[in-house]
Amino acid sequence: GAGVSQTPSNKVTEKGKYVELRCDPISGHTALYWYRQSLGQGPEFLIYFQGTGAADDSGLPNDRFFAVRPEGSVSTLKIQRTERGDSAVYLCASSLSGNSYEQYFGPGTRLTVT
Amino acid sequence: SQQGEEDPQALSIQEGENATMNCSYKTSINNLQWYRQNSGRGLVHLILIRSNEREKHSGRLRVTLDTSKKSSSLLITASRAADTASYFCATELFAGGTSYGKLTFGQGTILTVHP
Repeated sequence: GAGVSQTPSNKVTEKGKYVELRCDPISGHTALYWYRQSLGQGPEFLIYFQGTGAADDSGLPNDRFFAVRPEGSVSTLKIQRTERGDSAVYLCASSLSGNSYEQYFGPGTRLTVT
Repeated sequence: SQQGEEDPQALSIQEGENATMNCSYKTSINNLQWYRQNSGRGLVHLILIRSNEREKHSGRLRVTLDTSKKSSSLLITASRAADTASYFCATELFAGGTSYGKLTFGQGTILTVHP
């Protein structure tokens, strides 16, 4: 079956611009996660959705970052006033439910802020 | 912040040899998961071991968990060139009677298997 998909695969933007990153989870998965991975590091948690609601947004670095999942399926991560330090690979994962289930990761969106 | 620490940071072996990677963590966990990542296929889930389990097998993979030492190991037997990748351990925290779903990853071990 189809895995987690993310679009775009690559995004280059100028400092100060707004970007949206999209994640399509595996059908039927109620839990959705966003992570960010910098070069040479492990993924770092950003936000977790259970259904439509953000169950845990403690990893969002500041208020320039926001994510939604209005219908409990597709999610969009939004970054305002991008900074060069936001450059990273943004990973989305989904699981059957939250807690104690393996997470299936998408290929990621590589964001470069120039 | 990174909870898990993998050891070694890099490992280079010949095809057919076994590879052992270790992971240490700091707080109580609900489960620990191992993932593989290479540039071609992204992060792939390998195995999940729950806090009340001590050992788990999947094909050529063997994972152990010692909650008293807060450590885990991943053993890959009879390695192949295709096993070349970065390997990450990730912990799902457990605090106050709740597990949180989110994973905390270590920095990974880069494994190179030479043909």
